[in-house]
Amino acid sequence: NAGVTQTPKFQVLKTGQSMTLQCAQDMNHEYMSWYRQDPGMGLRLIHYSVGAGITDQGEVPNGYNVSRSTTEDFPLRLLSAAPSQTSVYFCASSEQETQYFGPGTRLLVL
Amino acid sequence: GNSVTQMEGPVTLSEEAFLTINCTYTATGYPSLFWYVQYPGEGLQLLLKATKADDKGSNKGFEATYRKETTSFHLEKGSVQVSDSAVYFCALRISGNTPLVFGKGTRLSVIA
Repeated sequence: NAGVTQTPKFQVLKTGQSMTLQCAQDMNHEYMSWYRQDPGMGLRLIHYSVGAGITDQGEVPNGYNVSRSTTEDFPLRLLSAAPSQTSVYFCASSEQETQYFGPGTRLLVL
Repeated sequence: GNSVTQMEGPVTLSEEAFLTINCTYTATGYPSLFWYVQYPGEGLQLLLKATKADDKGSNKGFEATYRKETTSFHLEKGSVQVSDSAVYFCALRISGNTPLVFGKGTRLSVIA
């Protein structure tokens, strides 16, 4: 099992550009989620999904879109990047209580 | 609502010192409790967990006991090593279909 994979590992964007952060898992987990990690702020939940076709907002959803067309994939879209979205993004999936995290995507918005 | 409070860092210890990182929680139900560890430049890894009151989670010399009466889940290790330097996150989860709620993290540095 590859576990939870994320691409790209690092990305630089200009303000106003769009991009999609990819997340995939091969463990057949129903629950998936996206977090952002900023210094001194811990991890904050952006969006989550309890299964294919179902998504919900977390603590900081503004500026981000998600969709869940398959169990395996949960992409995070930034429609118009802003410097405030400079962060490290983590995707996670879970079976029962335990959540497994991907290696992260470091995003810099200039 | 549900929340987790953990001690502010950073924490700096000498090798072989005793470690305690305090964590308390507020929850509307009966949560499962977790400690995650993040080594430099990496994602989060599950360190240990406890799913009900009085359970003790343990892994790699670390321990934490689920104390319902004090709503706490303090992380302890008897003798830390330089390789334990990382950020430690306490977290709770009400069920498998609800979000994990994290504390803000505690950075631990262990010096030789």
